[in-house]
Amino acid sequence: QITLKESGPTLVKPTQTLTLTCTFSGFSLSTSGVGVGWIRQPPGKALEWLALIYWDDDKRYSPSLKSRLTITKDTSKNQVVLTMTNMDPVDTATYYCAHNPRSPKGVTYFDYWGQGTLVTVSS
Amino acid sequence: SYVLTQPPSVSVAPGKTARITCGGNNIGSKSVHWYQQKPGQAPVLVIYYDSDRPSGIPERFSGSNSGNTATLTISRVEAGDEADYYCQVWDSSSDPRVVFGGGTKLTVL
Repeated sequence: QITLKESGPTLVKPTQTLTLTCTFSGFSLSTSGVGVGWIRQPPGKALEWLALIYWDDDKRYSPSLKSRLTITKDTSKNQVVLTMTNMDPVDTATYYCAHNPRSPKGVTYFDYWGQGTLVTVSS
Repeated sequence: SYVLTQPPSVSVAPGKTARITCGGNNIGSKSVHWYQQKPGQAPVLVIYYDSDRPSGIPERFSGSNSGNTATLTISRVEAGDEADYYCQVWDSSSDPRVVFGGGTKLTVL
């Protein structure tokens, strides 16, 4: 059974760096074809993809946020970490991590999602 | 950048068929995935690879994809199907990325 859970601060100040951790079970990020992605959703708005890391440490970022994002993995701990610098109130959102099943890199989708964590950016 | 266009809302009576479209340039050449999201919950994958259903998703959910439009079809709609639905593709351009549509609110009358 695959599960994912996001953790991190619920409140950050403008200009601070956000660090979120996705802790998962039921799969290994060393298995060929597997990936973990981060997606966020501002209150009342649509889903927005942020970043993705594959089993081979290949990484992809949203072009509009690329300069602010870093995604890393710790296979031994079954964790994926996302950092986002220079946080702004517009970054207030629920942040989800999700499992990308074994598939060609050109066919990425997410079959299991974490419950999400609401991050508020405010002074 | 690649854009997916969904109608903001679709309404349907119980027992009828709902069709939610997802428009994109030559989307028929891509694999389309669909997610259902109920209020306060994480998204759930309901269709992948255009028309495949994950285990546990009712057969009432089906998908198709051709030309510039992908469609999620929900037959014999139930009150419990009321939710937001998002389509998603992988844009394999010079800067590959995951792209989500803007979402469609399905209302069961």
